[in-house]
Formats: sequence, structure tokens, C-alpha cells
Amino acid sequence: QLQLQESGPGLLKPSETLSLTCTVSGGSVTTDSFLWGWTRQPPGKGLEWIGDIFYSGTAYYNPSLKSRVTISVDTSKNQISLKLRSVTAADTAIYYCARAKRPWIDYWGQGTLVTVSS
Amino acid sequence: QSVLTQEASVSGTVGQKVTLSCSGDSNNIGSYSVGWYQQISHGVPKTVMFGNSLSSGIPDRFSGSESGTTAYLTISGLQPEDEAYYYCSTWDSTLSARLFGGGTKVTVL
Repeated sequence: QLQLQESGPGLLKPSETLSLTCTVSGGSVTTDSFLWGWTRQPPGKGLEWIGDIFYSGTAYYNPSLKSRVTISVDTSKNQISLKLRSVTAADTAIYYCARAKRPWIDYWGQGTLVTVSS
Repeated sequence: QSVLTQEASVSGTVGQKVTLSCSGDSNNIGSYSVGWYQQISHGVPKTVMFGNSLSSGIPDRFSGSESGTTAYLTISGLQPEDEAYYYCSTWDSTLSARLFGGGTKVTVL
């Protein structure tokens, strides 16, 4: 059974860089045709897609976040990573790692809460 | 504002059939099939359907369909445990982006 586990700091100050890692177990990030990505959910709001990446490195990003986001794959560690620069309080959310086979998401991580506060 | 449009809320009694809709355009629902995700009490989203296929472990009272640029999720025989938010999602070929609808809250009366 595929499992995805997010990890990273839960509290950041404004202007810092959010860095999260998703460790994949029970499967490989190098499996053909699958995208690995991040979706977030601000408190009390709906789901917002951040971006997806193929293990080859081809990445797709939410246009509204593209200037601040980088998603990468580490095949040696079977992990994907998210970096979101210059965070503000509006970036406070639960961040979910997910696997997708376009156009659907089939597996979700448990999510990790990131709070941005001074 | 979401590019995929969902009802804010839908309600029904136990055993009733309810249908949720998700409206898009030719660049998204008109080109790609839709996934539906259930989120109970703001917990982890669970994949309910992808296209017309049920995800593993999902009861067969859930079904999906699509017509043109609108997708539908039907719950036939609503149960108390179906009370949740439901989000639709698909890919958009023009934006090269994944889209989510704003979510529909299903209430079991």
C-alpha cells in the first residue's frame, strides 16, 4: 500500500521560506506516468493546488504561486520536496502531498499544518 | 474564485438520492475526466471516484457521470457517514494546471 508522509517545520515567520518533504513508501517516485505534487488547504477554506512534478523533473505550478514555488524530486531518497518563498499569513494552511495520474489524484498524505506568524 | 463551479451545499434525508454537479469548460471537464474527493470534518481528503470508476473501498452507492462540460457525483441512498465536503478536480489543458472546485457541503438531515 502506497503511503506518503509529509514533514517539515510547523511554524514560520513572514518572509521566510517554507520547506516541506514528502517521503514515499510502498512505491517508487520513478514509476512511469505518475505525478507527485502538493495541495494545500487554508483553515476553513477549500483545496488549492500548488503544483505537480514527474520524476523526470517536468513540473507544473499553480499560476498564482508559480513565482514563489519550486517542487523537486529526489529519486535516491524516494522523496519529493516543496519550497515556497517569501511566505505570509495567507500561506498558513495544511499542506498535503499527493500522487496523481493525470487528471486524478489517487493517494493523499496525512497533511501537515504550517502556520506563518510573527 | 474557482474555475470549476460546485454548489455550496446539498442536503438530503437518509436513503435519498442526491446529485452534486461540477461545471467547467472545454479546456478542463470537456477534455479530461473528473476526480471527486470526500473530506469528512476537515480530515484528510479521500478519493471517491476518478472518471466513472470507484476508488477502492468506496461503496457502490456513489457513482459518477459527465455530460459536456459538467460532471456529476450521485449518492444513491444517502447515509449519515456520507456527510462531508466533496471536491471535484481535473486538469486544464490551457493553464497546464490542476483545478479544484470550491467544494459542496453535503448534509444528511
